[in-house]
Amino acid sequence: GNSVTQMEGPVTLSEEAFLTINCTYTATGYPSLFWYVQYPGEGLQLLLKATKADDKGSNKGFEATYRKETTSFHLEKGSVQVSDSAVYFCALPTQGGSEKLVFGKGTKLTVNP
Amino acid sequence: EAGVAQSPRYKIIEKRQSVAFWCNPISGHATLYWYQQILGQGPKLLIQFQNNGVVDDSQLPKDRFSAERLKGVDSTLKIQPAKLEDSAVYLCASSLRAVSYEQYFGPGTRLTVT
Repeated sequence: GNSVTQMEGPVTLSEEAFLTINCTYTATGYPSLFWYVQYPGEGLQLLLKATKADDKGSNKGFEATYRKETTSFHLEKGSVQVSDSAVYFCALPTQGGSEKLVFGKGTKLTVNP
Repeated sequence: EAGVAQSPRYKIIEKRQSVAFWCNPISGHATLYWYQQILGQGPKLLIQFQNNGVVDDSQLPKDRFSAERLKGVDSTLKIQPAKLEDSAVYLCASSLRAVSYEQYFGPGTRLTVT
């Protein structure tokens, strides 16, 4: 089945710094790709998604571009805020046509004022 | 719109005891998922329901775990007997359609088995 490898954390940044969290995947075909975020004490929330190659997903200032050449879906934000402190998960379907998701191990981001 | 509700939020039990978790999905969501999230790992799907029928339980340790979704709404997940390696956060999620990646997660139940 499909799999995902995510940059290990934790990541600590100062407010207004640039953020990149790397995610690479192994998949059959071209599945949809996702980033979920888990704020402290809360459940996971879908942050953004891309459904086909070269698509760019974006939300709350975060962006990720579906790169089939490098099988990557890196998460970026130009200027992080303290409120962005959370755990970020990259995910994709376990196999074609499945709605089951396989998640990366998560990357914990801490943003200091 | 109310989110996915779960209870309890925390539970500490001794090994070999039993425990049950409850989930109330978002109103109208037909699909319900239970995930296990071990510390430092991503969530792993245990079981998926479509209304009150099981769609996928291939990763559910059926010798000790059971789940039901009566009347296609609330769901309970039970562990009996618990083992130390069951210590994890148990997440419930729901989605509107059978094939939807936009799953809405509850806050989870943190289980500690001592």
